[in-house]
Amino acid sequence: NAGVTQTPKFQVLKTGQSMTLQCAQDMNHEYMSWYRQDPGMGLRLIHYSVGAGITDQGEVPNGYNVSRSTTEDFPLRLLSAAPSQTSVYFCASSWHRNTEAFFGQGTRLTVV
Amino acid sequence: EDQVTQSPEALRLQEGESSSLNCSYTVSGLRGLFWYRQDPGKGPEFLFTLYSAGEEKEKERLKATLTKKESFLHITAPKPEDSATYLCAVQATGGYQKVTFGIGTKLQVIP
Repeated sequence: NAGVTQTPKFQVLKTGQSMTLQCAQDMNHEYMSWYRQDPGMGLRLIHYSVGAGITDQGEVPNGYNVSRSTTEDFPLRLLSAAPSQTSVYFCASSWHRNTEAFFGQGTRLTVV
Repeated sequence: EDQVTQSPEALRLQEGESSSLNCSYTVSGLRGLFWYRQDPGKGPEFLFTLYSAGEEKEKERLKATLTKKESFLHITAPKPEDSATYLCAVQATGGYQKVTFGIGTKLQVIP
């Protein structure tokens, strides 16, 4: 039982490049979410999904897209990377939106 | 706007020296308050959920309590392996039941 798996662990992008952060969970959780963590700030919700085929915006969605074609996978796409998107990104899953979250190990993204 | 303030920002304890971490919050309606532990380079790991004032939960050397305005994480006789950043988060009722995280308290336990 791997839990929540994120890839890659580290990534450096040039401004304007696009990429996809991968997230997969093997706990059959319905609710999945993406957060970013920046120094001096709490985790902030980017996008979330309450089930396959259903996604919605969180607190800081601009510049990011998500899709949820299966229960297991919830990739996060950066369409045109900007230095302001330099951050640590965490994917999380939970049984329901108001139960405890299980987090992945994180992706440290640097945009130069 | 929902807010979570954790104090202190950093805490250094000798092994065996008990202390408490504070989480003060304002939220329109509280669905639940969560405590997580985060080790360097790792994702947060769930510790406790508290739902109503007066509730208490314990796990090994940790005990979490909740009032209408704040939560405390009490650490009894800490060990070096308790060193981590402890995050508090509140979930609001209504809307998409937003979870607001605090910045965390970085705890260092010295042998």
